[in-house]
Amino acid sequence: EVQLVESGGGLVQPGGSLRLSCAASGFTFSSYWMHWVRQAPGKGLVWVSRINSDGSSISYADSVRGRFTISRDNARNTLYLQMSSLRAEDTAVYYCARDSGYCGGDCYNSWGQGTLVTVSS
Amino acid sequence: DIQMTQSPSSLSASVGDRVTITCRASQSINRFLNWYQQKPGKAPKLLIYAASSLHSGVPSRFSGSGSGTDFTLTISSLQPEDSATYYCQQSYSTPSFGQGTKLEIK
Repeated sequence: EVQLVESGGGLVQPGGSLRLSCAASGFTFSSYWMHWVRQAPGKGLVWVSRINSDGSSISYADSVRGRFTISRDNARNTLYLQMSSLRAEDTAVYYCARDSGYCGGDCYNSWGQGTLVTVSS
Repeated sequence: DIQMTQSPSSLSASVGDRVTITCRASQSINRFLNWYQQKPGKAPKLLIYAASSLHSGVPSRFSGSGSGTDFTLTISSLQPEDSATYYCQQSYSTPSFGQGTKLEIK
């Protein structure tokens, strides 16, 4: 069974930093592109970042580029999102999601349960 | 960036009704369109990919159609468990989602 378990969320002050982790199991992690998608309270889904299977290709949404860094450790089956210079508008549930590999583009057939990041003083 | 617009933003329907949700892209995305279902407090679930392909395990009452800029998600016979918010997502370029359609059961 595919499992994605996020951790690392919490309360952080504006301008602060936080690192999210996503532990993967039940599949060959090193074979899949992975993504971060966020959802502000009561709002819709917003794609944040993606990384290819070996970490050599990375993309970011304009809203986080230069502040967030996605990475992965295939030996540890773990995806990361390092977030810095956090703003109130970064407050959201952050989901890690596995790319299906069969949509012809990015689509997500497995999701974690999400971890809440709250940016507030 | 490609903007995705869903309509309606919310709707209420009865068990057994046929329900259609529309998604429009700001430019042609061929058939790179996916649909998700999200229930409160839960992660989204993939329903439809590539505009009309049913994801494994998804009931056959769900179907998708469209190409270019206009797409639809149809539930042929609404069930109580279909109460949820539905999102479209384009995978033609940098991913983006529609704003969501909240479906309630009367």
